[in-house]
Amino acid sequence: AQSVTQLGSHVSVSEGALVLLRCNYSSSVPPYLFWYVQYPNQGLQLLLKYTTGATLVKGINGFEAEFKKSETSFHLTKPSAHMSDAAEYFCAVIPLNAGGTSYGKLTFGQGTILTVHP
Amino acid sequence: NAGVTQTPKFQVLKTGQSMTLQCAQDMNHNSMYWYRQDPGMGLRLIYYSASEGTTDKGEVPNGYNVSRLNKREFSLRLESAAPSQTSVYFCASKPGPRLAEKLFFGSGTQLSVL
Repeated sequence: AQSVTQLGSHVSVSEGALVLLRCNYSSSVPPYLFWYVQYPNQGLQLLLKYTTGATLVKGINGFEAEFKKSETSFHLTKPSAHMSDAAEYFCAVIPLNAGGTSYGKLTFGQGTILTVHP
Repeated sequence: NAGVTQTPKFQVLKTGQSMTLQCAQDMNHNSMYWYRQDPGMGLRLIYYSASEGTTDKGEVPNGYNVSRLNKREFSLRLESAAPSQTSVYFCASKPGPRLAEKLFFGSGTQLSVL
């Protein structure tokens, strides 16, 4: 079964520092990949997604992620953290079979809570 | 500009009580979903409705039932609540069946079962 792993349940950075949140998937066929963000007391919002094409994907609020097939990874980065980036971030996948069709629903990772210090 | 609306926002139940969580979307979306969120486990799919008139089980359907009342509304029912159902519940919707469409989420219902 397709799974997605986020390394680190909590990440803490200083304002202005690089943000790196890690996500790895486990399948031989690359899935569709997503990053969602959840601000306190809110539902999730889509940050960015990768389906096909360019492996570096840019999203909202200055975030980007790079799909690396050789590493089965889709890590999320932002060059300079802002206090407003404090939230919980979820990596999610839709598994695909070799024919490009889905055999499962959107599956979420465990989440990473990002804290930004002044 | 409501999007996905969930009611109630908070609820406390005693073991064995029943309740229905309501969800409505005003974006004319075809697909609707119910998730539960537990610490360290991400979001897990309970039930979904790909289109009006259809419902299917997700990853964790036991103890729940759903009704797709019409295109706008998708309710989740707990017939006999258990402490293991203490969680935050999210309703979500998306326009149609295409895999890469983004999900639109409600703000959640925090449920405690004592």
